[in-house]
Amino acid sequence: DTEVTQTPKHLVMGMTNKKSLKCEQHMGHRAMYWYKQKAKKPPELMFVYSYEKLSINESVPSRFSPECPNSSLLNLHLHALQPEDSALYLCASSQGESGRPTRELFFGSGTQLSVL
Amino acid sequence: AQSVTQLGSHVSVSEGALVLLRCNYSSSVPPYLFWYVQYPNQGLQLLLKYTSAATLVKGINGFEAEFKKSETSFHLTKPSAHMSDAAEYFCAVSGPGKFYFGSGTKLNVKP
Repeated sequence: DTEVTQTPKHLVMGMTNKKSLKCEQHMGHRAMYWYKQKAKKPPELMFVYSYEKLSINESVPSRFSPECPNSSLLNLHLHALQPEDSALYLCASSQGESGRPTRELFFGSGTQLSVL
Repeated sequence: AQSVTQLGSHVSVSEGALVLLRCNYSSSVPPYLFWYVQYPNQGLQLLLKYTSAATLVKGINGFEAEFKKSETSFHLTKPSAHMSDAAEYFCAVSGPGKFYFGSGTKLNVKP
């Protein structure tokens, strides 16, 4: 199984809503990532979890809250988002060799988020 | 610090023609380099990767790339374009815990 599964595929939410994005992998990877991608732009790194601990936060606003319940699961909790947060949110995983360059990222198909 | 630069935000070729997408890297250490493809409203799929083994790397769907240290380049090629190759292509270099993506090149294939 070389898949990273993201749910839901599409999400529409109001600015006062609370919602969560979910990501799952069963490849035994120990590093998991959240990326944000606006149309016609490359993915922008938001968070990295390494061995279930938050290792990188790219100065993401607190209305985005990541959670890694175990080595296979990654969540992104959303609260009080703004319309400019509308984007494709991608989850990825990698083997997670500490201190070494990442050999390969495996991406999910993403959640297309629209904030009204 | 690592970075990649993709030359040309849009490339248009005719079906059956050579595809050449350009990527130059900047890295203070021998890099790991990647090409990913993204179809509309989908995630990124790995085409091929260079991890300090053979300099000519073959990937999926007939794509290949050559690592040239003297030119700090890792250009992506395919001898004959197919309509299904139309997509966004990203070059990337990896560092500890991070990937650095280029700005992307949109490939258009004309019938």
